[in-house]
Amino acid sequence: EPEVTQTPSHQVTQMGQEVILRCVPISNHLYFYWYRQILGQKVEFLVSFYNNEISEKSEIFDDQFSVERPDGSNFTLKIRSTKLEDSAMYFCASRTSSGANVLTFGAGSRLTVL
Amino acid sequence: TQLLEQSPQFLSIQEGENLTVYCNSSSVFSSLQWYRQEPGEGPVLLVTVVTGGEVKKLKRLTFQFGDARKDSSLHITAAQPGDTGLYLCAGVKRGSTLGRLYFGRGTQLTVWP
Repeated sequence: EPEVTQTPSHQVTQMGQEVILRCVPISNHLYFYWYRQILGQKVEFLVSFYNNEISEKSEIFDDQFSVERPDGSNFTLKIRSTKLEDSAMYFCASRTSSGANVLTFGAGSRLTVL
Repeated sequence: TQLLEQSPQFLSIQEGENLTVYCNSSSVFSSLQWYRQEPGEGPVLLVTVVTGGEVKKLKRLTFQFGDARKDSSLHITAAQPGDTGLYLCAGVKRGSTLGRLYFGRGTQLTVWP
């Protein structure tokens, strides 16, 4: 069964450092998403990406965040200068252009900012 | 305030019991989805409901979408230890074309043998 893969599974970084989280969505999917889940809290939407541009972003997705699809397979989330409160599980998801918004989520990347 | 209020937050029951998890909102959703999430993994889709009043069954799990498409419930019959996990409801607001999901806080279910 096709799956969304994310790397790394866990990253520990110092506050102020740049972090790039990588995702390989399902190959025929056209919509890509990043969500995050702070420990003990609900899953929160960060950004959606379609046709090589951001289609929607939440208030969490400030200037410290950026997304990119550098080639035909990868979808990345960059945090320029990490803060303690960026510590969370970050989930990538993708879906096709049809259907009832059925997202397939990756297993997540755990980011720990020290 | 939460767009989707999910209750209860924690549920601890014995094997064989029935349970219901609720997901409520004042907003209308074009679709509502239920996920199950295991520790260290991403949410895995269980079901999507799109029509008001719709009922879907998945073995011992029954999902219902409210007539007004503002609420949903998940009912598990004769729970088993293998049902233990975090259950999440998530919805796409009416009018959204981009598929942004709003999640509830989740219900942590523990089923004891």
